[in-house]
Amino acid sequence: DTGVSQNPRHKITKRGQNVTFRCDPISEHNRLYWYRQTLGQGPEFLTYFQNEAQLEKSRLLSDRFSAERPKGSFSTLEIQRTEQGDSAMYLCASSPGKTQSREQYFGPGTRLTVT
Amino acid sequence: AQSVTQLGSHVSVSEGALVLLRCNYSSSVPPYLFWYVQYPNQGLQLLLKYTSAATLVKGINGFEAEFKKSETSFHLTKPSAHMSDAAEYFCAVSPLFISGNTPLVFGKGTRLSVIA
Repeated sequence: DTGVSQNPRHKITKRGQNVTFRCDPISEHNRLYWYRQTLGQGPEFLTYFQNEAQLEKSRLLSDRFSAERPKGSFSTLEIQRTEQGDSAMYLCASSPGKTQSREQYFGPGTRLTVT
Repeated sequence: AQSVTQLGSHVSVSEGALVLLRCNYSSSVPPYLFWYVQYPNQGLQLLLKYTSAATLVKGINGFEAEFKKSETSFHLTKPSAHMSDAAEYFCAVSPLFISGNTPLVFGKGTRLSVIA
């Protein structure tokens, strides 16, 4: 069990550029979540996958954001035409998906800075 | 909708003193409850969880939390603070009777400082 990994750890980009982040969950975890955390706040839910199916998206996820989990393993989060307001820590979490096991295991996050 | 309130955005204690971080949830049905810790520039690490079993839950690093339904609270405590406990602490809730998508709803966090 190597834990949840995220790449890159840091990303600096200019406004208007596209960025893509990757998340590798704990193996055999079929649920994968993306959260966004801004300074001084707790993480906020963005989207959720059960295996390869994206089952829910938060209203925080504007049309410029897209997430995929093509084979039910790793996931990518893409932000198109980045804006300064997108600057945040993007956290990925995974869980086994059992009803009695609700805890989620978080990766180290990708910190995005839009200049 | 579920929500979590953490009283006090910043708590400062002396090394060796009691740590008390407060969390109240809003739900008519007791949910699953969690405490996570976040060190600077890192992800969140699970400290402990309440899943409707014992009301006093013991976690890692000497932390524990007590679920009190009458007070809708799930406060985090540690008898003796250590310098390494300085971090951001988040309380989170997950609805009990919902299967499938169960994203966590987090409080705004409490930053714990430990003074030597």
